[in-house]
Amino acid sequence: EAQVTQNPRYLITVTGKKLTVTCSQNMNHEYMSWYRQDPGLGLRQIYYSMNVEVTDKGDVPEGYKVSRKEKRNFPLILESPSPNQTSLYFCASSSTVNEQFFGPGTRLTVL
Amino acid sequence: SQQGEEDPQALSIQEGENATMNCSYKTSINNLQWYRQNSGRGLVHLILIRSNEREKHSGRLRVTLDTSKKSSSLLITASRAADTASYFCATDGAAGNKLTFGGGTRVLVKP
Repeated sequence: EAQVTQNPRYLITVTGKKLTVTCSQNMNHEYMSWYRQDPGLGLRQIYYSMNVEVTDKGDVPEGYKVSRKEKRNFPLILESPSPNQTSLYFCASSSTVNEQFFGPGTRLTVL
Repeated sequence: SQQGEEDPQALSIQEGENATMNCSYKTSINNLQWYRQNSGRGLVHLILIRSNEREKHSGRLRVTLDTSKKSSSLLITASRAADTASYFCATDGAAGNKLTFGGGTRVLVKP
């Protein structure tokens, strides 16, 4: 089954404790992206990747890192999480930038 | 700032009625897409319309695009309770390397 998976689905952590949210897709897509969704602000893009070893900043990259060492994986790293990073995070993939397939989401709470 | 802005922010209709929502954007685009999100879940791609197209249909969905007004509309005909969701427009921008989402329209279809 074609899908985008994210782990963990739910995470409660404390300020400053490094964490990684994994994202994996099985559709051989070149394009992958991370978004955060906050009430009243819609979806905002954090980082995107056009292919392996090619990443670029989205609209809200501060406080986040990504890597794309393999085509199927695109982890999101929060080196020192802060409460303003409490949000619902989505990973997405597609062959081009269009018609993106979204993962189920990761709900992150930073205390 | 968001590229796409949906209007209205919320819409409540009876089953069987039509639902119309609008999206305005600010800069030139290659494509405009519509996505649906059921509560707290990942977005699902509905339909894509290219900048040189004016209207597109997919099942009960009808999308129009007016590039001179930088606006698009999504019409859902003969709505069903299962259409209850948030609907987002997304534009790719002239560079075509990332999507920018609007704030979404919440649609409630009452049985």
